[in-house]
Amino acid sequence: AQSVTQPDIHITVSEGASLELRCNYSYGATPYLFWYVQSPGQGLQLLLKYFSGDTLVQGIKGFEAEFKRSQSSFNLRKPSVHWSDAAEYFCAVGPSTSGTYKYIFGTGTRLKVLA
Amino acid sequence: SQTIHQWPATLVQPVGSPLSLECTVEGTSNPNLYWYRQAAGRGLQLLFYSVGIGQISSEVPQNLSASRPQDRQFILSSKKLLLSDSGFYLCAWSVTGTYEQYFGPGTRLTVT
Repeated sequence: AQSVTQPDIHITVSEGASLELRCNYSYGATPYLFWYVQSPGQGLQLLLKYFSGDTLVQGIKGFEAEFKRSQSSFNLRKPSVHWSDAAEYFCAVGPSTSGTYKYIFGTGTRLKVLA
Repeated sequence: SQTIHQWPATLVQPVGSPLSLECTVEGTSNPNLYWYRQAAGRGLQLLFYSVGIGQISSEVPQNLSASRPQDRQFILSSKKLLLSDSGFYLCAWSVTGTYEQYFGPGTRLTVT
């Protein structure tokens, strides 16, 4: 069955430090992969997506992610974190059923940024 | 540009009362529409999705129902709320042929 695992529930980094958020997936074919960010009490904003091609994808707000098929991973990175990056981050994979638009979301990683 | 609206933003309802949450999308035609529920520490759970007017797919047996009376309107309803219906409800849309979803601001529902 398809699944998404975000092994880190909470991560704390200092402002200016680098960041890597982990995402592992289980999927029978080449998946579509997404990272979303959610500020408290708000909806989700799409950071970046991977469908095919270059395995290193660039997103908004200085984020990037790398698709590694051999490791079934799609980790999110940022070279220098800003205080405004504090939020919850969700990885998603899909579609969960061919021909549909159903996606599976991870349980999220909450990022805290220390000044 | 496309925008998505949800209302109300917050709602406190007693157990056994009815529910109606509304989602509308502007700036696009024939979107795919989704209702998710988000519980703390549990990610997003897809409740319903719709690829057209009157076409609703239910993902999880539950106390809720959805309807799509117009192309860009998606409504989440319940006849009698349960305590377990509390949560943060998110509406999303996507365009057929693309796969990214765009989310609304959400509705915080507290059932007391």
